[in-house]
Amino acid sequence: AQRVTQPEKLLSVFKGAPVELKCNYSYSGSPELFWYVQYSRQRLQLLLRHISRESIKGFTADLNKGETSFHLKKPFAQEEDSAMYYCALSGYSGAGSYQLTFGKGTKLSVIP
Amino acid sequence: DADVTQTPRNRITKTGKRIMLECSQTKGHDRMYWYRQDPGLGLRLIYYSFDVKDINKGEISDGYSVSRQAQAKFSLSLESAIPNQTALYFCATSDPSTGNYGYTFGSGTRLTVV
Repeated sequence: AQRVTQPEKLLSVFKGAPVELKCNYSYSGSPELFWYVQYSRQRLQLLLRHISRESIKGFTADLNKGETSFHLKKPFAQEEDSAMYYCALSGYSGAGSYQLTFGKGTKLSVIP
Repeated sequence: DADVTQTPRNRITKTGKRIMLECSQTKGHDRMYWYRQDPGLGLRLIYYSFDVKDINKGEISDGYSVSRQAQAKFSLSLESAIPNQTALYFCATSDPSTGNYGYTFGSGTRLTVV
Protein backbone atom coordinates (compact mmCIF):
# COMPACT_ATOMS: atom_id res chain seq x y z
CA ALA A 1 0.00 0.00 0.00
CA GLN A 2 1.17 3.49 -0.67
CA ARG A 3 0.89 6.30 1.83
CA VAL A 4 1.82 9.96 1.98
CA THR A 5 2.27 11.79 5.25
CA GLN A 6 2.39 15.54 5.68
CA PRO A 7 2.99 16.01 9.40
CA GLU A 8 2.08 19.70 9.58
CA LYS A 9 -1.50 20.85 9.04
CA LEU A 10 -0.49 24.48 9.28
CA LEU A 11 2.82 26.24 8.85
CA SER A 12 3.23 29.95 9.48
CA VAL A 13 6.37 31.82 8.47
CA PHE A 14 7.34 35.45 8.11
CA LYS A 15 7.86 36.99 4.71
CA GLY A 16 11.46 36.50 3.65
CA ALA A 17 12.01 33.51 5.94
CA PRO A 18 12.88 30.07 4.58
CA VAL A 19 10.09 27.57 4.09
CA GLU A 20 10.16 23.80 4.34
CA LEU A 21 6.99 21.75 3.90
CA LYS A 22 7.55 18.17 4.93
CA CYS A 23 6.41 15.09 3.06
CA ASN A 24 7.20 11.47 3.82
CA TYR A 25 6.00 8.51 1.83
CA SER A 26 5.64 4.79 2.09
CA TYR A 27 5.91 2.73 -1.08
CA SER A 28 7.71 -0.47 -1.93
CA GLY A 29 8.73 0.42 -5.48
CA SER A 30 10.16 3.47 -7.20
CA PRO A 31 7.64 6.25 -6.73
CA GLU A 32 6.92 9.31 -8.75
CA LEU A 33 6.30 12.26 -6.44
CA PHE A 34 4.54 15.55 -6.94
CA TRP A 35 3.71 18.72 -5.12
CA TYR A 36 0.37 20.37 -5.88
CA VAL A 37 -0.66 23.83 -4.74
CA GLN A 38 -4.17 25.14 -4.18
CA TYR A 39 -4.62 28.88 -3.83
CA SER A 40 -7.73 30.12 -2.10
CA ARG A 41 -10.88 28.86 -3.84
CA GLN A 42 -8.96 27.66 -6.89
CA ARG A 43 -8.21 24.31 -8.47
CA LEU A 44 -5.21 22.22 -7.56
CA GLN A 45 -2.26 23.02 -9.77
CA LEU A 46 0.83 20.97 -10.30
CA LEU A 47 3.81 22.71 -8.72
CA LEU A 48 6.63 20.20 -9.06
CA ARG A 49 7.40 16.71 -10.30
CA HIS A 50 10.46 15.08 -8.81
CA ILE A 51 11.41 13.61 -12.18
CA SER A 52 11.71 17.01 -13.84
CA ARG A 53 13.98 18.37 -11.09
CA GLU A 54 12.86 21.90 -11.92
CA SER A 55 12.30 24.94 -9.75
CA ILE A 56 8.90 26.59 -9.94
CA LYS A 57 8.16 29.93 -8.27
CA GLY A 58 11.40 29.47 -6.34
CA PHE A 59 10.34 26.14 -4.85
CA THR A 60 12.47 23.01 -5.06
CA ALA A 61 12.02 19.48 -3.79
CA ASP A 62 14.50 16.64 -3.65
CA LEU A 63 13.56 13.02 -3.44
CA ASN A 64 15.46 11.31 -0.62
CA LYS A 65 14.90 7.60 -1.01
CA GLY A 66 16.86 6.76 2.11
CA GLU A 67 14.61 8.88 4.27
CA THR A 68 11.56 8.33 2.01
CA SER A 69 11.02 12.06 1.94
CA PHE A 70 10.17 14.71 -0.63
CA HIS A 71 10.25 17.98 1.28
CA LEU A 72 9.33 21.22 -0.47
CA LYS A 73 11.66 24.16 0.12
CA LYS A 74 11.91 27.82 -0.70
CA PRO A 75 14.67 30.08 0.62
CA PHE A 76 12.59 33.26 0.97
CA ALA A 77 8.83 33.07 1.48
CA GLN A 78 6.56 35.56 -0.28
CA GLU A 79 3.02 36.55 0.71
CA GLU A 80 1.68 35.09 -2.53
CA ASP A 81 2.98 31.68 -1.44
CA SER A 82 0.17 31.44 1.09
CA ALA A 83 -1.85 28.44 -0.03
CA MET A 84 -2.62 24.80 0.63
CA TYR A 85 0.12 22.41 -0.47
CA TYR A 86 -0.40 18.73 -1.17
CA CYS A 87 2.27 16.10 -1.61
CA ALA A 88 1.24 13.21 -3.85
CA LEU A 89 2.70 9.86 -4.85
CA SER A 90 2.02 7.95 -8.02
CA GLY A 91 2.55 4.27 -7.50
CA TYR A 92 1.63 1.02 -9.13
CA SER A 93 -1.65 -0.27 -7.71
CA GLY A 94 -1.99 -3.49 -9.69
CA ALA A 95 -3.60 -4.57 -12.97
CA GLY A 96 -1.46 -2.19 -14.96
CA SER A 97 -2.70 0.90 -13.18
CA TYR A 98 -1.04 3.73 -11.37
CA GLN A 99 -2.86 5.83 -8.81
CA LEU A 100 -2.12 9.14 -7.23
CA THR A 101 -2.30 9.16 -3.45
CA PHE A 102 -2.43 12.51 -1.68
CA GLY A 103 -1.27 13.61 1.71
CA LYS A 104 -3.71 15.54 3.86
CA GLY A 105 -2.14 18.84 2.98
CA THR A 106 -0.27 21.64 4.73
CA LYS A 107 -1.64 25.14 4.83
CA LEU A 108 1.16 27.66 4.44
CA SER A 109 0.53 31.11 5.81
CA VAL A 110 3.12 33.80 5.10
CA ILE A 111 2.97 36.65 7.56
CA PRO A 112 3.78 40.08 6.13
CA ASP B 1 -7.77 27.59 -20.18
CA ALA B 2 -10.41 25.20 -18.91
CA ASP B 3 -9.09 21.78 -19.93
CA VAL B 4 -11.24 20.18 -17.26
CA THR B 5 -14.63 21.78 -16.64
CA GLN B 6 -16.93 21.01 -13.76
CA THR B 7 -20.56 22.02 -13.43
CA PRO B 8 -22.12 23.37 -11.35
CA ARG B 9 -19.52 25.41 -9.46
CA ASN B 10 -21.73 25.64 -6.39
CA ARG B 11 -24.83 23.75 -5.38
CA ILE B 12 -27.04 23.64 -2.33
CA THR B 13 -29.40 20.70 -2.09
CA LYS B 14 -31.69 19.14 0.46
CA THR B 15 -31.19 15.87 2.27
CA GLY B 16 -32.58 12.96 0.28
CA LYS B 17 -32.37 14.64 -3.11
CA ARG B 18 -30.56 13.12 -6.04
CA ILE B 19 -27.87 15.29 -7.51
CA MET B 20 -25.44 14.95 -10.39
CA LEU B 21 -22.10 16.66 -10.74
CA GLU B 22 -20.66 16.83 -14.21
CA CYS B 23 -17.14 16.85 -15.54
CA SER B 24 -15.95 17.28 -19.10
CA GLN B 25 -12.43 17.48 -20.48
CA THR B 26 -10.78 18.58 -23.69
CA LYS B 27 -7.40 17.01 -22.98
CA GLY B 28 -8.18 13.72 -24.69
CA HIS B 29 -7.19 11.79 -21.59
CA ASP B 30 -8.57 8.31 -21.07
CA ARG B 31 -8.33 8.38 -17.30
CA MET B 32 -10.73 10.38 -15.16
CA TYR B 33 -11.22 10.62 -11.42
CA TRP B 34 -13.56 12.03 -8.81
CA TYR B 35 -12.20 13.23 -5.46
CA ARG B 36 -13.75 14.95 -2.51
CA GLN B 37 -11.84 17.42 -0.40
CA ASP B 38 -12.60 17.98 3.28
CA PRO B 39 -10.67 20.17 5.71
CA GLY B 40 -8.06 18.14 7.53
CA LEU B 41 -8.69 15.05 5.41
CA GLY B 42 -7.11 16.12 2.14
CA LEU B 43 -8.34 14.57 -1.08
CA ARG B 44 -10.00 11.19 -1.07
CA LEU B 45 -10.71 9.18 -4.18
CA ILE B 46 -14.37 8.35 -4.81
CA TYR B 47 -14.35 6.67 -8.23
CA TYR B 48 -12.06 6.43 -11.20
CA SER B 49 -12.32 5.33 -14.79
CA PHE B 50 -9.53 4.30 -17.14
CA ASP B 51 -11.72 4.26 -20.24
CA VAL B 52 -15.37 4.40 -21.21
CA LYS B 53 -16.00 0.76 -20.26
CA ASP B 54 -13.98 0.82 -17.07
CA ILE B 55 -15.31 2.05 -13.72
CA ASN B 56 -13.61 1.44 -10.39
CA LYS B 57 -14.45 2.24 -6.80
CA GLY B 58 -12.08 4.39 -4.87
CA GLU B 59 -11.50 4.81 -1.18
CA ILE B 60 -14.94 6.24 -0.33
CA SER B 61 -17.47 5.16 -2.95
CA ASP B 62 -20.43 4.43 -0.64
CA GLY B 63 -23.34 6.75 -1.36
CA TYR B 64 -21.99 7.71 -4.77
CA SER B 65 -22.27 6.39 -8.32
CA VAL B 66 -20.65 7.44 -11.58
CA SER B 67 -21.28 7.34 -15.29
CA ARG B 68 -18.67 7.58 -18.04
CA GLN B 69 -20.81 8.74 -20.93
CA ALA B 70 -17.89 9.32 -23.28
CA GLN B 71 -14.14 9.67 -23.14
CA ALA B 72 -14.61 13.33 -22.36
CA LYS B 73 -17.40 13.08 -19.78
CA PHE B 74 -17.51 11.59 -16.30
CA SER B 75 -20.45 12.32 -14.01
CA LEU B 76 -20.77 11.77 -10.28
CA SER B 77 -24.18 11.16 -8.71
CA LEU B 78 -25.35 11.27 -5.15
CA GLU B 79 -28.43 9.07 -5.14
CA SER B 80 -29.80 10.39 -1.87
CA ALA B 81 -27.72 13.26 -0.56
CA ILE B 82 -26.89 13.47 3.14
CA PRO B 83 -25.30 16.33 5.10
CA ASN B 84 -21.93 14.60 5.54
CA GLN B 85 -21.54 14.66 1.78
CA THR B 86 -21.10 18.40 2.05
CA ALA B 87 -17.65 18.93 0.55
CA LEU B 88 -15.65 20.29 -2.34
CA TYR B 89 -15.62 17.82 -5.22
CA PHE B 90 -12.87 17.69 -7.81
CA CYS B 91 -12.68 15.93 -11.13
CA ALA B 92 -9.26 15.12 -12.56
CA THR B 93 -7.77 13.54 -15.66
CA SER B 94 -4.48 11.88 -16.48
CA ASP B 95 -2.64 10.30 -19.37
CA PRO B 96 0.23 8.07 -18.20
CA SER B 97 1.04 7.12 -21.79
CA THR B 98 2.88 10.45 -22.00
CA GLY B 99 5.16 9.34 -19.18
CA ASN B 100 3.60 11.96 -16.91
CA TYR B 101 1.66 10.40 -14.06
CA GLY B 102 0.38 13.72 -12.72
CA TYR B 103 -3.23 14.83 -12.86
CA THR B 104 -5.04 17.86 -14.26
CA PHE B 105 -7.82 19.08 -12.00
CA GLY B 106 -11.07 20.89 -12.60
CA SER B 107 -12.05 23.97 -10.60
CA GLY B 108 -14.23 21.99 -8.24
CA THR B 109 -17.90 21.88 -7.26
CA ARG B 110 -18.79 23.10 -3.82
CA LEU B 111 -21.74 21.02 -2.63
CA THR B 112 -23.77 21.79 0.46
CA VAL B 113 -26.41 19.35 1.67
CA VAL B 114 -28.88 20.87 4.11
